Amino acid sequence: VQLVQSGAEVKKPGQSLKISCKDSGNSFATYWIAWVRQMPGKGLEWMGIIYPGDSDTRYGPSFEGQVTISADKSINTAYLQWSRLKASDTAVYYCARQAAGDMFDSWGQGTLVTVSS
Amino acid sequence: QSALTQPASVSGSPGQSITISCTGTSSDVGAFNLVSWYQQHPGKAPRLLIYEVTKRPSGISNRFSGSKSGNTASLTISGLQADDEADYHCCSYAGSSKVVFGGGTKLTVL
Repeated sequence: VQLVQSGAEVKKPGQSLKISCKDSGNSFATYWIAWVRQMPGKGLEWMGIIYPGDSDTRYGPSFEGQVTISADKSINTAYLQWSRLKASDTAVYYCARQAAGDMFDSWGQGTLVTVSS
Repeated sequence: QSALTQPASVSGSPGQSITISCTGTSSDVGAFNLVSWYQQHPGKAPRLLIYEVTKRPSGISNRFSGSKSGNTASLTISGLQADDEADYHCCSYAGSSKVVFGGGTKLTVL
């Protein structure tokens, strides 16, 4: 599993954004992909997961209704989307494979999202 | 679902051992043997060190070990090396397909 994320983004408050996470392997549809937020100087926060095989999606309590997680198994890619960004969304966002045992054994390189007017 | 509690920082000298604690509740750490630990160097993605409380992935040094007692999990690093200086994050399954992380601990090698 090798997860490659899209590049850094700079956006204004109120704008929309969709970042991606592509698996270069061939088993993408058979494992859960998680999104993890890391705000500047802070710890990791689990945002939610998706099973690309059937798009079953779960969200962390703090992120339900705030972001949308989706996937396109035909191109081995998962997405994290905002409809209206806020300054407090400024963070590095990681995708990771959430494997059996609920551990994260493969990580993307991270996408820095900066939201500033 | 609150974050797990870790000390903000720990330190040790080369060759020494240190332990980082991770305290949760009877709904997460105490309920499941599904605690994992991650090492993160500045500007890098996290790396899995320990999973299912005590197991090490292939390629991880046996200087890293994990344990759990009640609602508290621990990561011990023995024979400290300069390259161990990093942030360490614990994580636990919290039921209903949810996962919770700790706030992270900065390890300084003196």
